[in-house]
Amino acid sequence: EVHLVESGGGLVKPGGSLRLSCAASGYTFSNAWMSWVRQAPGKGLEWVGRIKTKTDGGTTDYAAPVKGRFTISRDDSKNTLYLQMNSLKTEDTAVYYCTANPYYEIYWGQGALVTVSS
Amino acid sequence: DIQMTQSPSTLSASVGDRVTITCRASQSISYWLAWYQQKPGKAPKLLIYKASTLQSGVPSRFSGSGSGTEFTLTISSLQPDDFATYYCQQYNSFFGPGTKVDIK
Repeated sequence: EVHLVESGGGLVKPGGSLRLSCAASGYTFSNAWMSWVRQAPGKGLEWVGRIKTKTDGGTTDYAAPVKGRFTISRDDSKNTLYLQMNSLKTEDTAVYYCTANPYYEIYWGQGALVTVSS
Repeated sequence: DIQMTQSPSTLSASVGDRVTITCRASQSISYWLAWYQQKPGKAPKLLIYKASTLQSGVPSRFSGSGSGTEFTLTISSLQPDDFATYYCQQYNSFFGPGTKVDIK
């Protein structure tokens, strides 16, 4: 059974940094494109960015609101996905989910809350 | 970037109704589309992947169709548990804005 567990969420001041982790199990992590998705309070789902498998080049793509501030990386030896968030803004407050797409199915974690507030 | 749109944004329906939600991509995405159901305070639940494949455990009243730029999610007979918000997503990319299905 696939499990994705996010960690590292919390309260951070505007301009601060935070790193989220997503520990994966139950499938071959290195074979999956991985993404981060967020949902601000009362809003819809927003794709944050993705990282491809090393076989597919290992490249990253980001949504415009986070480009240049957020960095996605992966450690296939640890079955872990990361989201480094810098220069955080109040509008980055959201529940952050990691998703995995190893074949055709898509799996989600339970989410981690990030609150950006002074 | 490929943009995703959904219609309608809100849908009022009764138990037993047939419900159809449309999702459009700004350019062809072949069959790389997923549908989700989300209830307040919960993570999204995958209903349909690869445009038309029903996720294991999802009731057969849900179905998906389409390819290229136009896709539909159909609930053949709406049940009380189906009142929720539905999203489409291009794989590993953008979501539609969502369709809220509420009680008429």
